Amino acid sequence: ELKVEQNPLFLSMQEGKNYTIYCNYSTTSDRLYWYRQDPGKSLESLFVLLSNGAVKQEGRLMASLDTKARLSTLHITAAVHDLSATYFCAVRGTSGSRLTFGEGTQLTVNP
Amino acid sequence: DAGVIQSPRHEVTEMGQEVTLRCKPISGHNSLFWYRQTMMRGLELLIYFNNNVPIDDSGMPEDRFSAKMPNASFSTLKIQPSEPRDSAVYFCASNRDRSNQPQHFGDGTRLSIL
Repeated sequence: ELKVEQNPLFLSMQEGKNYTIYCNYSTTSDRLYWYRQDPGKSLESLFVLLSNGAVKQEGRLMASLDTKARLSTLHITAAVHDLSATYFCAVRGTSGSRLTFGEGTQLTVNP
Repeated sequence: DAGVIQSPRHEVTEMGQEVTLRCKPISGHNSLFWYRQTMMRGLELLIYFNNNVPIDDSGMPEDRFSAKMPNASFSTLKIQPSEPRDSAVYFCASNRDRSNQPQHFGDGTRLSIL
């Protein structure tokens, strides 16, 4: 059974600082996704990572994938308040369309 | 482009009542997913369909839950009879099977069973 673990689960940081969220998964996967969820809202897709060494960047967020270590990271650069949200990683196994989601990391960026 | 459309947005009902949640996937998407989100259990996949056929319903909690997809543009998730522990936000998502696309989520139905 595929298991996905994120850490930290809660992250409070100051504006302007950098930090990294980690996503570990337990079995071979060929696709990893990062989503953002604002309170009371739906999930919004941020990144799709498809291969070992993949790196995607959008604004102050950068995601990477190491399939050998079964690890993805979401790096936040010079955080701003607007980035406050819950971030989920989701992993697709090698068969079927099912995604397994991590528990989510609740990020709060303080002025 | 219209996204995934769910209805109702909110539902409050008494335990024992039947609840029906509805979803219209994005046109051209042939995979549809039903999720449940709670504080305690996070985001759980209940069931998913490919080309209107249920593929994996291992996440459906019990026989009180059922889901159908009578055509490519409509799906329902039914709870009968409902119980207070079914209170959650239910999301529907869709994408094209065998693609690298992410799943696109609807706005969800916030369900409260009293």
